[in-house]
Amino acid sequence: ELKVEQNPLFLSMQEGKNYTIYCNYSTTSDRLYWYRQDPGKSLESLFVLLSNGAVKQEGRLMASLDTKARLSTLHITAAVHDLSATYFCAVVPLSQGGSEKLVFGKGTKLTVNP
Amino acid sequence: NAGVMQNPRHLVRRRGQEARLRCSPMKGHSHVYWYRQLPEEGLKFMVYLQKENIIDESGMPKERFSAEFPKEGPSILRIQQVVRGDSAAYFCASSLNVGGTYNSPLHFGNGTRLTVT
Repeated sequence: ELKVEQNPLFLSMQEGKNYTIYCNYSTTSDRLYWYRQDPGKSLESLFVLLSNGAVKQEGRLMASLDTKARLSTLHITAAVHDLSATYFCAVVPLSQGGSEKLVFGKGTKLTVNP
Repeated sequence: NAGVMQNPRHLVRRRGQEARLRCSPMKGHSHVYWYRQLPEEGLKFMVYLQKENIIDESGMPKERFSAEFPKEGPSILRIQQVVRGDSAAYFCASSLNVGGTYNSPLHFGNGTRLTVT
């Protein structure tokens, strides 16, 4: 059974600082997603990572994937208050084929303090 | 394109009542997924449906829960005889998922927050 672990689960940081959120998963996968969720809201897709070594950047967020290590990172550069949210990684096991049956981590609740 | 529409946004039920949650997928999408999110937790897969077919219900509790996606109309997640432990946010997502389009993430609705009193 695929397990997805994120750490840290809670992250409080100051504006302007950098930090990295880690996502480990236990079995082979060919797709990894990062989502953002604001309180009481739905999930907003941030990144889709499809291959080993994939790196994607959007604004102050950069995501990377190492399929051999079964590790993805979400790096935050020069954090701003608007980035405060919960960030989830989600993985589709390789055996799922075309099915988008995602397995989610527990999420990292990020608070950026002014 | 209206996106994935879920209703109601909030639903309050007393123990023992039935809850019906509705989901209309994005236009052109014929694959629907239901996920449940408990407080402070990630989403957990419940069921995957295509029109008139349940493809994978491995995440559904064995009793009281059922789902359908009829030929016409929205997908319905039905919870009979609700208990307090059913209180959660229930999210629906849809995908196009046409043979090998792996780079299109699921599109999630805004969720239905069920509270059982």
